[in-house]
Amino acid sequence: KQEVTQIPAALSVPEGENLVLNCSFTDSAIYNLQWFRQDPGKGLTSLLLIQSSQREQTSGRLNASLDKSSGRSTLYIAASQPGDSATYLCAGIIQGAQKLVFGQGTRLTINP
Amino acid sequence: GAVVSQHPSRVICKSGTSVKIECRSLDFQATTMFWYRQFPKQSLMLMATSNEGSKATYEQGVEKDKFLINHASLTLSTLTVTSAHPEDSSFYICSAGPYNEQFFGPGTRLTVL
Repeated sequence: KQEVTQIPAALSVPEGENLVLNCSFTDSAIYNLQWFRQDPGKGLTSLLLIQSSQREQTSGRLNASLDKSSGRSTLYIAASQPGDSATYLCAGIIQGAQKLVFGQGTRLTINP
Repeated sequence: GAVVSQHPSRVICKSGTSVKIECRSLDFQATTMFWYRQFPKQSLMLMATSNEGSKATYEQGVEKDKFLINHASLTLSTLTVTSAHPEDSSFYICSAGPYNEQFFGPGTRLTVL
């Protein structure tokens, strides 16, 4: 059974810092990987999608990478801002399946 | 990105009543949609996979007679919580996506009194 672990569970940093969120899978047979952001009481916003043939994706201050051999992904946030405060979730689609398997999320707080 | 909507955003009902939640893909067709529930400060738990024109596939431990799913068109899936009880109170979210990326609705907050 695929399990997803996100480290750390919570992170609080001052504004302006660069930071890294980690995600690991017990089964490295990942087809696609997505990073999401969730604000309190809201749905999920898709941030980045890394498809099976890719190793990383970038969007603005966000960069996500995927190492399939180790079953690990990282989300790098540059020059963090208070508006980045949210819960960040990673989720993967396993080869042969269609559904997403989610991590527990990292609750990020950026202090002004 | 693609847009997925949900209705209603919030519903409060009495114990024993049934509640229907709609999930729509606004700018693409979705043969498959997914229904999740989320408890406070927890991650999403997949409940079922909604398949257009056929029966839904439920995850282990999810009662199919309790959570009725209908996917009658390529843009609409509905989740009906039948005979709702306070323990069904939760945040319900659907997702769908063209190709390989999933997009999520804004969620429905269900409170059963």
